[in-house]
Amino acid sequence: GAVVSQHPSRVICKSGTSVKIECRSLDFQATTMFWYRQFPKQSLMLMATSNEGSKATYEQGVEKDKFLINHASLTLSTLTVTSAHPEDSSFYICSAPRSDSDYEQYFGPGTRLTVT
Amino acid sequence: AQSVTQLGSHVSVSEGALVLLRCNYSSSVPPYLFWYVQYPNQGLQLLLKYTSAATLVKGINGFEAEFKKSETSFHLTKPSAHMSDAAEYFCAVTASGNTPLVFGKGTRLSVIA
Repeated sequence: GAVVSQHPSRVICKSGTSVKIECRSLDFQATTMFWYRQFPKQSLMLMATSNEGSKATYEQGVEKDKFLINHASLTLSTLTVTSAHPEDSSFYICSAPRSDSDYEQYFGPGTRLTVT
Repeated sequence: AQSVTQLGSHVSVSEGALVLLRCNYSSSVPPYLFWYVQYPNQGLQLLLKYTSAATLVKGINGFEAEFKKSETSFHLTKPSAHMSDAAEYFCAVTASGNTPLVFGKGTRLSVIA
């Protein structure tokens, strides 16, 4: 069964509003989680590394004030897209490495964000 | 820095034919290598991984890949394609299990009846 979940799976929001996406590790603790973004017909690009109890690390070109990441517990990281615009429409996927399986990374099922 | 190059954005094979999807990597440290499959509007499914053990790695659904350090390659193969194999395939590399993956651009596999 799934070991990493994401919620919601799909969300449609109006331009200018904020959207929160949750990523949960279901049966293991994850001090680190990764957030990726995938535009249509493109590959996955790392947006940021979420660290439990500390600030996230953002990749070059990703606005930290626009994509707020909170890793408040060992099983939950959230990504909030603030003041969303149509160009933020994308497929957002999180992953979490699992220490008891040689740090194999488990991916969530993804969240399809559409900004109208 | 690490990178992955997938040769061929689109590969088309006949049902029952050999599938070969190419992946070359660049890494300054011994790499961990992965192949994932993605069906439309779905997440990623791990096919197989190489983490410095056996160089020939067997995965799910009849897929396998061979790590060749001298060629910096990790090509994915399947002896006989099935219609259900039609999907997008991504090769990925990382330096260790606890670091993010770097993905290739992906190869779309089409299977012709």
